[in-house]
Amino acid sequence: GAVVSQHPSRVICKSGTSVKIECRSLDFQATTMFWYRQFPKQSLMLMATSNEGSKATYEQGVEKDKFLINHASLTLSTLTVTSAHPEDSSFYICSASGQGAGANVLTFGAGSRLTVL
Amino acid sequence: SQELEQSPQSLIVQEGKNLTINCTSSKTLYGLYWYKQKYGEGLIFLMMLQKGGEEKSHEKITAKLDEKKQQSSLHITASQPSHAGIYLCGADASGTYKYIFGTGTRLKVLA
Repeated sequence: GAVVSQHPSRVICKSGTSVKIECRSLDFQATTMFWYRQFPKQSLMLMATSNEGSKATYEQGVEKDKFLINHASLTLSTLTVTSAHPEDSSFYICSASGQGAGANVLTFGAGSRLTVL
Repeated sequence: SQELEQSPQSLIVQEGKNLTINCTSSKTLYGLYWYKQKYGEGLIFLMMLQKGGEEKSHEKITAKLDEKKQQSSLHITASQPSHAGIYLCGADASGTYKYIFGTGTRLKVLA
């Protein structure tokens, strides 16, 4: 079945630094990838939608300059948290859809837990 | 705006008991999806419902979607500790894979 790999699974960084999270579709071409954020004991909040080769579409209230999303190939999307602050600490999950994945179903990565000190 | 309400928010049951989780939308949906998430981990796909009145089962889990495609229930029969986790309903409200998610139901099964 379709597999999405997310890396790193955990990352700890100092305040002010930037962190990059990768989301890869391993066995299908992901024409669209979605990035979610999950706060403790809360549901997933959609941050942005990225289509291969074009700019990401951000949801209302999500800072484009803070959360840089790149979808340069059909198998890789990256989320960069720039100048991270403690309030950016969260669980980030990506998902992907595309040819070769399950029809009408999003495949999710295992998530990345970011802790900003 | 589209919202999904899930109930109950949390549930503690004794092993072997049956339980039901509900998911309600204010609008008709293109698709309703059930996922399970273990604490601090990714989402595991359980079931997808697309047709009004549709019902699907996998092992001891049954999911139903009402005729209006606005309400779904997830039923677990004879619960086991392995069923513990967070159950999330997700919906595609526009047919673009742009999912929204319910607030989740935290299930604990006592051995």
